Amino acid sequence: GQSLEQPSEVTAVEGAIVQINCTYQTSGFYGLSWYQQHDGGAPTFLSYNALDGLEETGRFSSFLSRSDSYGYLLLQELQMKDSASYFCAVRVSNDYKLSFGAGTTVTVRA
Amino acid sequence: DTGVSQDPRHKITKRGQNVTFRCDPISEHNRLYWYRQTLGQGPEFLTYFQNEAQLEKSRLLSDRFSAERPKGSFSTLEIQRTEQGDSAMYLCASSQPGTSGRGGGTDTQYFGPGTRLTVL
Repeated sequence: GQSLEQPSEVTAVEGAIVQINCTYQTSGFYGLSWYQQHDGGAPTFLSYNALDGLEETGRFSSFLSRSDSYGYLLLQELQMKDSASYFCAVRVSNDYKLSFGAGTTVTVRA
Repeated sequence: DTGVSQDPRHKITKRGQNVTFRCDPISEHNRLYWYRQTLGQGPEFLTYFQNEAQLEKSRLLSDRFSAERPKGSFSTLEIQRTEQGDSAMYLCASSQPGTSGRGGGTDTQYFGPGTRLTVL
C-alpha cells in the first residue's frame, strides 16, 4: 500500500508564505497531486507533479523530488480565503485511484 | 460544464436501513470514482469505473456496499443494512484521460460536493 505524511496544522498571518511538506512511501510512484478542501466543501484540484522540479500556478507552487519521495505545496501571499485543508495524494503506475494523506489544516490570521 | 453533482447532499438514516446515493460526473469524463471521507482524514478510495465497467474495488468495500454505472454515465452507490460506522462523507469524482502538469499523463480527478451520511 501507500503511506503519506504531512503536518496536521499550520497557522500563519495574511501575506505570509506557508510550505506544506508531504513525504510518501509507495511502490510504482507515478505522480503527486495537491487538493484544497474548505470546511464542508469538495476537494478542489490545485496541482500535479510527475517529474522533479517546481510547478507554479499563480500564488501556489508545488515541488517534487522523486529520489527523496518528497514534495511540498507552497502558498504565497496568504489570504484569509486560503484557510482550508490541503491534501497530498499519490497515484501509482497502472492504477488510477488516488491515495490521500490525512491533510494539513491551514489557518490564516489577520 | 456544470461539474460533478451528487444527490442527496445529506442523508440521515436509522441503523439497518438501506441508502442509495447518486453521482453525475462531468459529461465527457469516462472514469468515475467513489471515495469515503471521515472527519479529520483524507478521502479513502472505494471503487472506480471506466465507462460502465467496475475495474477496482477497495477492501474497504464490504459486501453491504454495491456500486453501479449502468450506461457509463451516472453512478449509484448503495449501502445495505447501514451501520453507525458507515457515517461519513461519500465523495464522487470523475476524470478524463489527458495531460496535466509537468510530465503529463495524468487524468485529473474532479470531485463533487459529496453526500454526508449520518447513521443513527
